[in-house]
Amino acid sequence: AQKITQTQPGMFVQEKEAVTLDCTYDTSDPSYGLFWYKQPSSGEMIFLIYQGSYDQQNATEGRYSLNFQKARKSANLVISASQLGDSAMYFCAMSYEPTSGTYKYIFGTGTRLKVLA
Amino acid sequence: NAGVTQTPKFQVLKTGQSMTLQCAQDMNHNSMYWYRQDPGMGLRLIYYSASEGTTDKGEVPNGYNVSRLNKREFSLRLESAAPSQTSVYFCASRKWDTRTFGSGTRLTVV
Repeated sequence: AQKITQTQPGMFVQEKEAVTLDCTYDTSDPSYGLFWYKQPSSGEMIFLIYQGSYDQQNATEGRYSLNFQKARKSANLVISASQLGDSAMYFCAMSYEPTSGTYKYIFGTGTRLKVLA
Repeated sequence: NAGVTQTPKFQVLKTGQSMTLQCAQDMNHNSMYWYRQDPGMGLRLIYYSASEGTTDKGEVPNGYNVSRLNKREFSLRLESAAPSQTSVYFCASRKWDTRTFGSGTRLTVV
């Protein structure tokens, strides 16, 4: 069964340092998408970055990059030069199409990141 | 501002009461979704609507009903609220693979 696993319930990082948030996934579908969302304390869900299963290069969006290792089924989020405003909950998600015309989207349980001044 | 609007932001219900959570999007998206978020469980899909006039059950549909009133609006109804439905509810709409989320409704059932 398809699954998203985030094994780090909480992490700390020093301001200006880089941090990696882990995400592993399990799917037998050859076509899928991987996403990261940020949820600050205010509660909204903010889309950060997307990686398609056929994309050859790792996705990057500003200070965010997705370390996609297909053979290991991992899609780790790397945040460079952490800022205090990066303190939030981060969710990994996956989209897949188990049968033609259906479309599924599942979330991991999240990692709470705290950036220290 | 374009996006997904949810109302109300906060609600307290007594067990057995009913209520409807409202969601509207102005991005002309076909697909809309209702999720609930519980500690340690991420987001779980309650119901979704792939297009106007269609609705389908998600992962945790029991205790809920939905209505896709038109392309813009997708409402979630709790007919008889239970304490287990205490959660944060998110509405979302879809463009390609990404979701745009509303700001959430924090519901407490006492």
